[in-house]
Amino acid sequence: DIVMTQSPDSLAVSLGERATINCKSSRTVLYSSNNKNYVAWYQQKPGQPPKLLIYWASTRESGVPDRFSGSGSGTDFALTISSLQAEDVAVYYCQQYYSTPLITFGQGTRLEIK
Amino acid sequence: EVQLLESGGGLVQPGGSLRLSCAASGFTFSSYAMSWVRQAPGKGLEWVSSIRSSGNSTYYADSVKGRFTISRDNSRHTLYLQMSSLRAEDTAVYFCAKTKAPATIQAPIDYWGQGTLVTVSS
Repeated sequence: DIVMTQSPDSLAVSLGERATINCKSSRTVLYSSNNKNYVAWYQQKPGQPPKLLIYWASTRESGVPDRFSGSGSGTDFALTISSLQAEDVAVYYCQQYYSTPLITFGQGTRLEIK
Repeated sequence: EVQLLESGGGLVQPGGSLRLSCAASGFTFSSYAMSWVRQAPGKGLEWVSSIRSSGNSTYYADSVKGRFTISRDNSRHTLYLQMSSLRAEDTAVYFCAKTKAPATIQAPIDYWGQGTLVTVSS
């Protein structure tokens, strides 16, 4: 199984500041045949289901604000919020879909306002 | 508008059975792989099971293999999860989830239901 490990487990950032969440996979999730990284990022607010933010490691889902961006390749990935807004308080998960059907998620990172 | 509406959750005793349903609308159900993902109270997300668009291939996490059965009725636009031999550690909110790309299982999840709570307790 591919293990996804996020860091930090929790993060407190001031409004308007940058927030970065990291995700490391236990082995590569980059398919050499199409040069795509099979990583997605989700946002989950209390009492709600997860919401897809980023897929293919860096492609923003339709309707997601452009302050959200994804980066990385191979085994190391990051989700960055360029200017934190109050509505961004949530738990964020990375996910690999390289080894489908056995998809795996990171443990989650709780993002709060400082 | 894509909608996924789960039902069938509830309180069940250890060793009991339960069948979850997910009614889908707003997209061509028969074209997309579907999955169940669960979340224990206060915990993270855990993939449970997936099924290809035609229903001819099914996949399970080791934690539920042999106890859970995923199925779908494309004519009724409905996904199912039959759960048996339930254990306390199966207590979770169960989400129905749609794969983003048609005709493949190797894609992210773009829509999730609101979830249905399954509680296994005596």
